[in-house]
Amino acid sequence: AQKITQTQPGMFVQEKEAVTLDCTYDTSDQSYGLFWYKQPSSGEMIFLIYQGSYDEQNATEGRYSLNFQKARKSANLVISASQLGDSAMYFCAMLRNTGGFKTIFGAGTRLFVKA
Amino acid sequence: ETGVTQSPTHLIKTRGQQVTLRCSSQSGHNTVSWYQQALGQGPQFIFQYYREEENGRGNFPPRFSGLQFPNYSSELNVNALELDDSALYLCASSLGTGVTGELFFGEGSRLTVL
Repeated sequence: AQKITQTQPGMFVQEKEAVTLDCTYDTSDQSYGLFWYKQPSSGEMIFLIYQGSYDEQNATEGRYSLNFQKARKSANLVISASQLGDSAMYFCAMLRNTGGFKTIFGAGTRLFVKA
Repeated sequence: ETGVTQSPTHLIKTRGQQVTLRCSSQSGHNTVSWYQQALGQGPQFIFQYYREEENGRGNFPPRFSGLQFPNYSSELNVNALELDDSALYLCASSLGTGVTGELFFGEGSRLTVL
């Protein structure tokens, strides 16, 4: 079955520290894309970072980096130097296009940044 | 701001009614996908349209249907509403149908079914 698992319902981090949000995925596809989105309380989904299944280098976007371990099927998000504005829900997602296009989201992790 | 707009932002319906939600995609994007997000859960993929054709569908019954227009805007129609259809409905636009395309989301339409 194709699925995304986020095992941390909630995480706390001190402002200015780094935090890792876990994501594991299950797919038999060779080609897929992995994404992380942030959803503040306003509800809009904000793109953070992308990793392709064939990419050998871990993706980075400013304070966000993706720790991609293909053999373990994990795609953890690392946020460095946390800010109060990082408090939000974070979703890991997988895009696949085998037998029809599908996007699969995990259940999310709520991140609380403490001052 | 992504340039993806959804309407209406909030609406209330009763069980058995029908609803139409609308989405205008970001300029230049030819692909639209729809998601249902129940409270406290991750978004669930409903379907995707590429150049006016449905090219992917999640595990939703046929009473969830859609359209994409020549200008790439889209509609989600839900017939015979059930209480469990209460959710935030998100629309996202993207370019093409590859697995590399970033999704640009609208702010959603919150549907309450009484």
